[in-house]
Amino acid sequence: KAGVTQTPRYLIKTRGQQVTLSCSPISGHRSVSWYQQTPGQGLQFLFEYFSETQRNKGNFPGRFSGRQFSNSRSEMNVSTLELGDSALYLCASRRQGAADTQYFGPGTRLTVL
Amino acid sequence: QKEVEQNSGPLSVPEGAIASLNCTYSDRVSQSFFWYRQYSGKSPELIMSIYSNGDKEDGRFTAQLNKASQYVSLLIRDSQPSDSATYLCAVNPNTGNQFYFGTGTSLTVIP
Repeated sequence: KAGVTQTPRYLIKTRGQQVTLSCSPISGHRSVSWYQQTPGQGLQFLFEYFSETQRNKGNFPGRFSGRQFSNSRSEMNVSTLELGDSALYLCASRRQGAADTQYFGPGTRLTVL
Repeated sequence: QKEVEQNSGPLSVPEGAIASLNCTYSDRVSQSFFWYRQYSGKSPELIMSIYSNGDKEDGRFTAQLNKASQYVSLLIRDSQPSDSATYLCAVNPNTGNQFYFGTGTSLTVIP
């Protein structure tokens, strides 16, 4: 079974631009979560989507948004990029329940110049 | 109070020794517990999950859960240099809830 895939793997943007990251979950998984990881802050939860609805949300500004499509694929958008948005963005999927394991994709490395 | 707390380390052990990683959580009704390993520059990969009190063994890894003490640990026996990584503890309180991750413990196994 194919794992979680994320595109693109690497991105370089400049301040003020916007970016869209994509995540395809494992087949049969309906929940997709997004995380930001930086050396200083560790793994920080952005939001989770389940059946096209945002189910949980972390403490990030409104510049960070996401959506999920009917095939469970998800996109994350960051508008008006700031230098501090440089990070590894990880997507993780799971079936749906609390006991279900969350599996991570390889991540998208975003660099904001 | 953070939902999940881990000693950030770094933890250093000699090759062949037992590495002990600890994690405490704040939500008493938490149901599911996970350990992930993350190599530098890579994404987290699942090592073990545990749901019931007691020990769960998988090869050189043993997860221990004590819900009364709100404590979960990971033991790595016969530690190898390839075990050098950051270990993340994750907790899911209940269905529909997000995963909560600790900040991770950095482990170095010295040859």
